[in-house]
Amino acid sequence: GNSVTQMEGPVTLSEEAFLTINCTYTATGYPSLFWYVQYPGEGLQLLLKATKADDKGSNKGFEATYRKETTSFHLEKGSVQVSDSAVYFCALTGSGGSNYKLTFGKGTLLTVNP
Amino acid sequence: GAGVSQSPSNKVTEKGKDVELRCDPISGHTALYWYRQSLGQGLEFLIYFQGNSAPDKSGLPSDRFSAERTGGSVSTLTIQRTQQEDSAVYLCASSTYRASSGNTIYFGEGSWLTVV
Repeated sequence: GNSVTQMEGPVTLSEEAFLTINCTYTATGYPSLFWYVQYPGEGLQLLLKATKADDKGSNKGFEATYRKETTSFHLEKGSVQVSDSAVYFCALTGSGGSNYKLTFGKGTLLTVNP
Repeated sequence: GAGVSQSPSNKVTEKGKDVELRCDPISGHTALYWYRQSLGQGLEFLIYFQGNSAPDKSGLPSDRFSAERTGGSVSTLTIQRTQQEDSAVYLCASSTYRASSGNTIYFGEGSWLTVV
C-alpha cells in the first residue's frame, strides 16, 4: 500500500534559518504529493502540492519538488519566521482507483524562536 | 459556507455513551472524508463519500463507528458505546471530484472528542 515517511521532529530553529523537512514516499504509479500545515489551535491547511514528476510546488516562501527518481518531496524554506511555527504533514494521493484517499506522514513539529 | 464546518468543536462524553459529530462541507464539493487525528496514530482515514456511490468504509476501526451523508451534503459520524481510546480529533474534509491530477482536499477545524 501507499506510505509516507517524514523526518521526525521536533525541529527548532532560529528566525531566518534555512528549513528542510525530509519526506519520502512509497506508492505505485504516479501519486500526487502534498504538504499540509497545522498552526496551533487550527485545522489542516494545504500549503503546496505537485501532481507530476519534476513539478515544484510553492507557497508562502516554501517549496518542494516532486522527485520520482528518489521518491521524495522535501519541504524547504530559505528564511523561516516565528509565524511558521506549526506541524507540517507530507501526504500523497495514489493514482488510479485510490486517487481520492490522502495518506499522511506522522507530522513534524517546527518551532521557530525569535 | 466558505469552508468546511464541523460541530461540536469540543465534546466530553462518558465512556459507554453515543456521540454524533457533524460536518457541513464546502458548497458544491461532492467528495467528503472523515479522518481521525490522535497522538499515537497520526492522521487516519476513516470513510469517504462520493456523490451517490457506495462509501469507502475501509478505515472505520470497528462496528461502533458509522457515518452517513444525507442529500449529498451534510455528514454525521456516529460513535456508539464510546471507549477511552476513541478520544481524538475527528476531522472532516471535502473536495471536488476529479479522477486525476491530485484533488485538493480542504479540512475543517475538527471536533475534539474526549471520553472520560
